[in-house]
Amino acid sequence: NAGVTQTPKFRVLKTGQSMTLLCAQDMNHEYMYWYRQDPGMGLRLIHYSVGEGTTAKGEVPDGYNVSRLKKQNFLLGLESAAPSQTSVYFCASKAGMVNTEAFFGQGTRLTVV
Amino acid sequence: KQEVTQIPAALSVPEGENLVLNCSFTDSAIYNLQWFRQDPGKGLTSLLLIQSSQREQTSGRLNASLDKSSGRSTLYIAASQPGDSATYLCAVTPLTGGGNKLTFGTGTQLKVEL
Repeated sequence: NAGVTQTPKFRVLKTGQSMTLLCAQDMNHEYMYWYRQDPGMGLRLIHYSVGEGTTAKGEVPDGYNVSRLKKQNFLLGLESAAPSQTSVYFCASKAGMVNTEAFFGQGTRLTVV
Repeated sequence: KQEVTQIPAALSVPEGENLVLNCSFTDSAIYNLQWFRQDPGKGLTSLLLIQSSQREQTSGRLNASLDKSSGRSTLYIAASQPGDSATYLCAVTPLTGGGNKLTFGTGTQLKVEL
């Protein structure tokens, strides 16, 4: 029962570097999401996808890009990391029906120095 | 814009006490409300999901209620245990906006002491 798996779990980047966070789910879920969690601000939606090949912007999309080439994978990219992107990133997935639970990965702790 | 508030931000109780966590939201146009638990350094674990047409859901020692018209939900934890110590988050799925996205509160950090 893997559920939602995020890679890597920890990363330190220098300002201006790029990286890709990988999210993989094995539940055949249609919907996938990337959130960031910051102290005192709760979880905020970065980007989301309602199906393979589709993506959409969330609440705080600037500085991030995403791709959903395969249904089971959702990638989050940082092209030029900034200290403001220091955060814990969570991926989540849901089945296509409305009243279904969301399942979350264990998070990626990213520090940009 | 939907806003979700959880008060208090932190709560400390002795073991065995029954307790209530509160969640309020500003827009009652929602599909459902979900309660999560988050342990330090971990991801979120779903506890209960209440559909907008429902009044409450129960799982073991947990009972969640929903009053959509007043924009409120409560999570009742019976006979609290030290293992219940965690941050509890509520989230709503708004009717508008598409994508079945979740809007989260900032959580209540619960500590159950021996």
